[in-house]
Amino acid sequence: QLQLQESGSGLVKPSQTLSLTCAVSGGSISSGGYSWSWIRQPPGKGLEWIGYIYHSGSTYYNPSLKSRVTISVDRSKNQFSLKLSSVTAADTAVYYCARDREAALDYWGQGTLVTVSS
Amino acid sequence: DIQMTQSPSSLSASVGDRVTITCRASQSISSYLNWYQQKPGKAPKLLIYAASSLQSGVPSRFSGSGSGTDFTLTISSLQPEDFATYYCQQSYSTLVYTFGQGTKLEIK
Repeated sequence: QLQLQESGSGLVKPSQTLSLTCAVSGGSISSGGYSWSWIRQPPGKGLEWIGYIYHSGSTYYNPSLKSRVTISVDRSKNQFSLKLSSVTAADTAVYYCARDREAALDYWGQGTLVTVSS
Repeated sequence: DIQMTQSPSSLSASVGDRVTITCRASQSISSYLNWYQQKPGKAPKLLIYAASSLQSGVPSRFSGSGSGTDFTLTISSLQPEDFATYYCQQSYSTLVYTFGQGTKLEIK
């Protein structure tokens, strides 16, 4: 059974960089045919797709966040990561990682709350 | 960006009811439409992919239909565990996925 687990700092100061990692177990992140996504959800609000990285390493980002987002993969550790720079209070959200199988997000991590506050 | 609009935003229903939630895309997305269920404090769960395909392990009382711009999620007979928020998501544009605003299904 594939499992994803987010980890990282739960509190980030304004203007700093948010960094999260998603550890994948029960399967290889290098398996062909999948991409690996980040999605976020501000408290009490809906879902926003942040971006994904293909197994090949190609990345695609939400245009609204593109200038601040980097998604990378560490195959040796079977994990992928999210960095979001210049954060503000508007970036406070639960951040989820997920597997993308043929354009559907079929496995999700449990989510991690990141609060942006001084 | 492709905008996704769900209706209604909230819905009250009783156990055993048949419920339909609608999702409309701002342009044609063929059948690139997925449905998710989210319970409080939990991650979303994939129910339906490619508009009408049931994800493995999901009860058959859930079904999806539609293509182009108009889609529906139907729950044939509501069970207590189905009270949750439901989201549609388009994956036609691989450059940016977008979600509907959600439909909160509550107990009447």
